[in-house]
Amino acid sequence: DVKVTQSSRYLVKRTGEKVFLECVQDMDHENMFWYRQDPGLGLRLIYFSYDVKMKEKGDIPEGYSVSREKKERFSLILESASTNQTSMYLCASSLDRDSGNTIYFGEGSWLTVV
Amino acid sequence: DAKTTQPTSMDCAEGRAANLPCNHSTISGNEYVYWYRQIHSQGPQYIIHGLKNNETNEMASLIITEDRKSSTLILPHATLRDTAVYYCIVRVAGGTSYGKLTFGQGTILTVHP
Repeated sequence: DVKVTQSSRYLVKRTGEKVFLECVQDMDHENMFWYRQDPGLGLRLIYFSYDVKMKEKGDIPEGYSVSREKKERFSLILESASTNQTSMYLCASSLDRDSGNTIYFGEGSWLTVV
Repeated sequence: DAKTTQPTSMDCAEGRAANLPCNHSTISGNEYVYWYRQIHSQGPQYIIHGLKNNETNEMASLIITEDRKSSTLILPHATLRDTAVYYCIVRVAGGTSYGKLTFGQGTILTVHP
């Protein structure tokens, strides 16, 4: 079975803290993604990576950075958390860049910044 | 991405088939139709996808019209655990936007005992 695992389901952080959200996939997928999902705004792509040490900005990269040191792991970093980054964060992966390849999601990480 | 239109909500009796429609009249020839569902507080779950032909897997069937302007997701024997928001998505073909999934409002499916 396809498995995308996000390390934390629920986090509460203070404004200004550095936050790490970790994601691991066990399917040897080339592509990994970080989204956030907010009511009324739908799913928005933050960053994605199509190879180790490669990254591309999505639609809303400001305030975020990512790291992909190993193929199976993709980390999202909030350098200095702010209240407007309170959201549900979703990690996803897909096999390669073919448009027919399914994107699989993790369970999501609910981040509250106070 | 082609836009999709789905009914806001639907009801279904447990054990009966749930048929969820989706219109995607501006779909391009190389765009796939995907269905996901999302149960509250969880990540989206992949259900099925197709390009032109009808598809079936262990979860559902996907019927795509010949002109590809609409499709129907069929859950053959709905259970209470199928209560969720169902999203119909059309995927862009390759390039740097291949990861950009656009989830619309979706259909809230409620399965009743």
